[in-house]
Amino acid sequence: DGGITQSPKYLFRKEGQNVTLSCEQNLNHDAMYWYRQDPGQGLRLIYYSQIVNDFQKGDIAEGYSVSREKKESFPLTVTSAQKNPTAFYLCASSIVGTGNQPQHFGDGTRLSIL
Amino acid sequence: AQSVTQLGSHVSVSEGALVLLRCNYSSSVPPYLFWYVQYPNQGLQLLLKYTTGATLVKGINGFEAEFKKSETSFHLTKPSAHMSDAAEYFCAVRATGNQFYFGTGTSLTVIP
Repeated sequence: DGGITQSPKYLFRKEGQNVTLSCEQNLNHDAMYWYRQDPGQGLRLIYYSQIVNDFQKGDIAEGYSVSREKKESFPLTVTSAQKNPTAFYLCASSIVGTGNQPQHFGDGTRLSIL
Repeated sequence: AQSVTQLGSHVSVSEGALVLLRCNYSSSVPPYLFWYVQYPNQGLQLLLKYTTGATLVKGINGFEAEFKKSETSFHLTKPSAHMSDAAEYFCAVRATGNQFYFGTGTSLTVIP
């Protein structure tokens, strides 16, 4: 079955450390997204990409970086510049274009600070 | 700019009672609207999506949503709540440029 795989499910970061969250999809979608979810704040867009080797900042990109070297993969790095990284991170993908095509989501990665 | 407003961050209903979760959107063009459900420590799962021309959209697990253009609303309903419906629900709109905008979510509690 097609879908989105996020790993790991739980991740711990030490002070001053960069960590990378993995997101892989086999839906053949061109667009991929990263969201941060905090209690009571819904989903906030970090980065999105509509095509390989191109990506755009979302609303809260500071302290994060991404790459899109392959259509299937969109890893997110949480850098030491992100001072409050504890959150639930969701990766999503969608078909590019207009219409009522929805986003598909992975099961998330919960990041905590040691 | 597009936006989505969900009225009521927490809703409690008795098992077997009507579920009504409210969503209003702002859009200058025909909207592409969605409802998602999220269970604890999981991703979002699509419940239903709006189809142009339809006013009542049926989704999974017995949920429906009614599109009212005059009220810019897309409220989610279910005639009879089940314990398994307890979850977080998100309304979303798809904008041009392939961006999606989400409401802040409504947490549904079902009381036995």
